[in-house]
Amino acid sequence: GDSVTQMEGPVTLSEEAFLTINCTYTATGYPSLFWYVQYPGEGLQLLLKATKADDKGSNKGFEATYRKETTSFHLEKGSVQVSDSAVYFCALSGTGNTPLVFGKGTRLSVIA
Amino acid sequence: GAVVSQHPSWVICKSGTSVKIECRSLDFQATTMFWYRQFPKQSLMLMATSNEGSKATYEQGVEKDKFLINHASLTLSTLTVTSAHPEDSSFYICSASHPGAMNTEAFFGQGTRLTVV
Repeated sequence: GDSVTQMEGPVTLSEEAFLTINCTYTATGYPSLFWYVQYPGEGLQLLLKATKADDKGSNKGFEATYRKETTSFHLEKGSVQVSDSAVYFCALSGTGNTPLVFGKGTRLSVIA
Repeated sequence: GAVVSQHPSWVICKSGTSVKIECRSLDFQATTMFWYRQFPKQSLMLMATSNEGSKATYEQGVEKDKFLINHASLTLSTLTVTSAHPEDSSFYICSASHPGAMNTEAFFGQGTRLTVV
């Protein structure tokens, strides 16, 4: 079945450091890919998405490119802030009637 | 984006009592909603798929009689934790997607922190 593998954390970075969180997937068909962010004590928020190969999703300085040839969707940010501390989940889509397939999540801590 | 509202945000209850959690899609009709459970510092565990007008589909290992799901309308699904015990303490999250849309994102509620004492 479909699956998502993302790098395990926790990841601790200093403010203004470069961030990469790796995500690879296995899927049949042509899924959409997502990054969700979860701040402490909250639900998940969609951070960015890409719906087809070579698409780049971007939001709040974060970027990820849908690479079909490497089945990857790595999350990057050039300069992290303390407020970026959260758990990040990579996911791929089903249809409206099937749940997303999530990776295990990567906890990011950014220190000043 | 679409909005999914979950209520309450947190609840404390005594062992043996039941707790109901509501999940509402505010600006779209959701024929299907999903309920997840999240343990501290862990990923989401899918508990069940809630289908409007029919029985929920539970994942393996999830007790149907303990976690009652009702999806009586196109905008509301409820999860009732019956005869709650301390081990049921957890963070519960619901989600919904636009019905019939292919490869669509899911919209999540804010989550409910349940503490059973």
